[in-house]
Amino acid sequence: GAGVSQSPRYKVAKRGQDVALRCDPISGHVSLFWYQQALGQGPEFLTYFQNEAQLDKSGLPSDRFFAERPEGSVSTLKIQRTQQEDSAVYLCASSPLQSSKGAFFGQGTRLTVV
Amino acid sequence: SQKIEQNSEALNIQEGKTATLTCNYTNYSPAYLQWYRQDPGRGPVFLLLIRENEKEKRKERLKVTFDTTLKQSLFHITASQPADSATYLCALENSGGYQKVTFGTGTKLQVIP
Repeated sequence: GAGVSQSPRYKVAKRGQDVALRCDPISGHVSLFWYQQALGQGPEFLTYFQNEAQLDKSGLPSDRFFAERPEGSVSTLKIQRTQQEDSAVYLCASSPLQSSKGAFFGQGTRLTVV
Repeated sequence: SQKIEQNSEALNIQEGKTATLTCNYTNYSPAYLQWYRQDPGRGPVFLLLIRENEKEKRKERLKVTFDTTLKQSLFHITASQPADSATYLCALENSGGYQKVTFGTGTKLQVIP
């Protein structure tokens, strides 16, 4: 498809388990963003890539969170030793510009830590 | 501290009326303000962007105003339809090259037939 694709759509993890969330941005998009959205809240910024360079990771809540975009296209958000407070929807967005203006979002991955 | 406020209570309006949603902010000097629509179980969809030097922007039935003195943006949907029912998010971005976007909590709009 032509949009941003995220997988898996849903993920249930036992506390302490590692998870990896994938984002396929729109082809050719320079910017890629990860957000975390708790129920009833707006998306909270996690990290930003410009091509393969991670320019801003100030929103990552702890060192258990790690993101990469090694070839400047597909990105993976990894969460190690998941905790219950990590339960949320993780959204990926891409933009053709070196900014977030008019970014295109994926459907998100709903992570539930039990 | 920086804060973006959107009415957390749902807004219910009758079909055909104009819906007006509010976004207030404090301790920001945003260069850009964006409005997104989010349906349940979906990611946000970009609607409109307005710059700090623009007072008003229109797109079809949508109108956005941006008052940097009041630190407020208003989002209007005219001739509202049940299909407009969704959560609407405002998002601020500061000036100066790349700046991360900060989202409000969103306002849920319900258009009643």
